[in-house]
Amino acid sequence: DAGVIQSPRHEVTEMGQEVTLRCKPISGHDYLFWYRQTMMRGLELLIYFNNNVPIDDSGMPEDRFSAKMPNASFSTLKIQPSEPRDSAVYFCASTGLVVAYEQYFGPGTRLTVT
Amino acid sequence: AQKITQTQPGMFVQEKEAVTLDCTYDTSDPSYGLFWYKQPSSGEMIFLIYQGSYDQQNATEGRYSLNFQKARKSANLVISASQLGDSAMYFCAMREREGAQKLVFGQGTRLTINP
Repeated sequence: DAGVIQSPRHEVTEMGQEVTLRCKPISGHDYLFWYRQTMMRGLELLIYFNNNVPIDDSGMPEDRFSAKMPNASFSTLKIQPSEPRDSAVYFCASTGLVVAYEQYFGPGTRLTVT
Repeated sequence: AQKITQTQPGMFVQEKEAVTLDCTYDTSDPSYGLFWYKQPSSGEMIFLIYQGSYDQQNATEGRYSLNFQKARKSANLVISASQLGDSAMYFCAMREREGAQKLVFGQGTRLTINP
């Protein structure tokens, strides 16, 4: 299996621009998670989906953030408009019917907003 | 309140020595799961080991073992015969209750293995 795939790996954008991060989970996994990692706040769960349905979005910082999962093999996290404080590494992870429901992470997208 | 506490921000160990990374947790649910992840400098998060709250034995995966002390609410990671490639950030995480999928992560411990 290819593992969780994220794109782009790096994104540099100017404040006010729209940013879209993409994720392809491991085939057969029915849970998908979006995390944000910063030095100050560590690793935070933003939102997660089960069978393409958002289950918990309490970690989404504000209305500028939105996430969708139109099908089992694709999800997006969108920031509009972006701000410098959104600069972070964004991880996508997936899990499914494995022994412990351990989450498998993608390589992350490093976002820099100038 | 912190649900996962990793009290060692950084650790330095000589190659081939064993190392213990501390993790304490807080939950009132009797059914929970504990995980350890490794994050090397390249940035990816790598799953290492899992311990369920009802597991009778400590989990082991190769050179990794989890020292699970339920009464003390601790789940320390032990790495035997450390290698240079073990240098990384290590995160302890908890799934709070049966059926829940959210993981809560600690702040991490940066482990450096010296030759």
